[in-house]
Amino acid sequence: KAGVTQTPRYLIKTRGQQVTLSCSPISGHRSVSWYQQTPGQGLQFLFEYFSETQRNKGNFPGRFSGRQFSNSRSEMNVSTLELGDSALYLCASSRASGYNEQFFGPGTRLTVL
Amino acid sequence: GESVGLHLPTLSVQEGDNSIINCAYSNSASDYFIWYKQESGKGPQFIIDIRSNMDKRQGQRVTVLLNKTVKHLSLQIAATQPGDSAVYFCAEHGSSNTGKLIFGQGTTLQVKP
Repeated sequence: KAGVTQTPRYLIKTRGQQVTLSCSPISGHRSVSWYQQTPGQGLQFLFEYFSETQRNKGNFPGRFSGRQFSNSRSEMNVSTLELGDSALYLCASSRASGYNEQFFGPGTRLTVL
Repeated sequence: GESVGLHLPTLSVQEGDNSIINCAYSNSASDYFIWYKQESGKGPQFIIDIRSNMDKRQGQRVTVLLNKTVKHLSLQIAATQPGDSAVYFCAEHGSSNTGKLIFGQGTTLQVKP
């Protein structure tokens, strides 16, 4: 069974631009969560989607948004990029929300110049 | 704020020795905890989990201990191998209704041959 895939793996943007990251969950998984990983803040929860509905959102500004499609694939978007948005963005999928094992993808490394 | 903290940033052990990685959590109401391993360039990988109605759970070469009285979690790795070198995170599941995970800062495990 294929694992969680994220595209692109690496991305370089400049301040003020916007970016869209994509996540394809494991087949049969309906829940997708997004995390931001930085050396200073560690792993921080961004949001979770289940059956195309946002279930929970972390403490991030409104520039961070996401969505989930009917095939459970998810995208997250960051608008008006700032230098501090440089991070590894990780996607995790699970069969359902709640206490289910989450499987992480390799992440998208975003660099904002 | 929400936090799950780790006591030591780096742990260096000799190959073949046992490793113990500690974690303190802040929410006494949390009832599900997970340990993840993250190797360089990869997303976190599930190691073992434990529910609050247990105080110990064993896997292959790994044991997780939970002490709810002092809100402490530990991961024990038996006969540590070079392949165990990675960053280890404890995570607290925020709610049974969502997939949100609250991660600790991480401990780097270095295994000396």
